[in-house]
Amino acid sequence: DAGVTQSPTHLIKTRGQHVTLRCSPISGHKSVSWYQQVLGQGPQFIFQYYEKEERGRGNFPDRFSARQFPNYSSELNVNALLLGDSALYLCASSYTDRGGETQYFGPGTRLLVL
Amino acid sequence: AQTVTQSQPEMSVQEAETVTLSCTYDTSESDYYLFWYKQPPSRQMILVIRQEAYKQQNATENRFSVNFQKAAKSFSLKISDSQLGDAAMYFCAYRAQETSGSRLTFGEGTQLTVNP
Repeated sequence: DAGVTQSPTHLIKTRGQHVTLRCSPISGHKSVSWYQQVLGQGPQFIFQYYEKEERGRGNFPDRFSARQFPNYSSELNVNALLLGDSALYLCASSYTDRGGETQYFGPGTRLLVL
Repeated sequence: AQTVTQSQPEMSVQEAETVTLSCTYDTSESDYYLFWYKQPPSRQMILVIRQEAYKQQNATENRFSVNFQKAAKSFSLKISDSQLGDAAMYFCAYRAQETSGSRLTFGEGTQLTVNP
């Protein structure tokens, strides 16, 4: 089975622009989460969506938004890009079994803001 | 708010030997989940092992095992018979038993080097 896929793999933008990152979950997974990982740090939670509804939001400004589609894929949008938005953006899809919910990560999108 | 601390920014081990990575966390919850993820240079985050807090038995996955001390809020990862492919950044992560939302809180990571 295919894992979590993300596009694009790399992206270069300039300050003030906006960006859309895309994620396709593992087949059968209905939940998608987004994380930002700045170089040298652990990932920081941005959003989680389940069945197209937002289930959680991290401490990020309103410039960050996301949505989930009927096929459970997701988009992360960032407006008015700042230099500090340069990071690896990770998408994770998850399912729930007897042991609880486990998140599986995609390869990430590397965003560079100049 | 929950926090996760990894006090070892870097660790090294000789191939075929055993290494232990430390993790402590802070929470007021009684039921939660703990994870170790591995991030090689490709930066793909790979799940290594998972532990449910309500289980007293420590989780094991082949050469990987954990030492979960709930009272001490400690969750260390032991890698036995280390292999060159184990070299990576290792992240400890916490997730509360939430009825809505399942965000992971990560530590800062431990960079593991495996020497041949």
